[in-house]
Amino acid sequence: QKEVEQNSGPLSVPEGAIASLNCTYSDRVSQSFFWYRQYSGKSPELIMSIYSNGDKEDGRFTAQLNKASQYVSLLIRDSQPSDSATYLCAVYNAGNMLTFGGGTRLMVKP
Amino acid sequence: SQTIHQWPATLVQPVGSPLSLECTVEGTSNPNLYWYRQAAGRGLQLLFYSVGIGQISSEVPQNLSASRPQDRQFILSSKKLLLSDSGFYLCAWSASRGTEAFFGQGTRLTVV
Repeated sequence: QKEVEQNSGPLSVPEGAIASLNCTYSDRVSQSFFWYRQYSGKSPELIMSIYSNGDKEDGRFTAQLNKASQYVSLLIRDSQPSDSATYLCAVYNAGNMLTFGGGTRLMVKP
Repeated sequence: SQTIHQWPATLVQPVGSPLSLECTVEGTSNPNLYWYRQAAGRGLQLLFYSVGIGQISSEVPQNLSASRPQDRQFILSSKKLLLSDSGFYLCAWSASRGTEAFFGQGTRLTVV
């Protein structure tokens, strides 16, 4: 079992819709969770961090964490074509290694 | 503010040649430093992790090595490159364990 798992996609949503991206992780002691956005050919950029169960909102982005289910998600409201990118979920494991999922490719169609 | 520099941006190297990629961080002290590799269309694979000068944890590679000669300098090396070493190499830093990591612009390495 991979440490951090994401559906590779592509996830296609129309402009203005809500995009929902999901991630599961295997290490129960993980405490820190992150979402990164990566445009083609570029390095990942941090969008959200979440440390506690529940929701965390920042603009059009909402991160949701459920430690009991070992599940973290990212919602993007009012999706724009510029949101089209690969979204990477990252988790610190017990060995303090920041481990990434394979990423979900999001396509927002005008 | 903190910045991370990584160079070169692109590199084409023949099989069997040596490699040295450098990463430096400015504006912070004693950062945690990471080297990742990303194959085309894939996720990030952690290669090396360092919490301090001379302290390197290796996750995967046998053909690559890393060194941290100074607090804010992290170097990725190879004595002899293989075709399978091609990829996008990313350096990242974080302030401490469990905190956000920030990436450099990456080096796209093609071994021919």
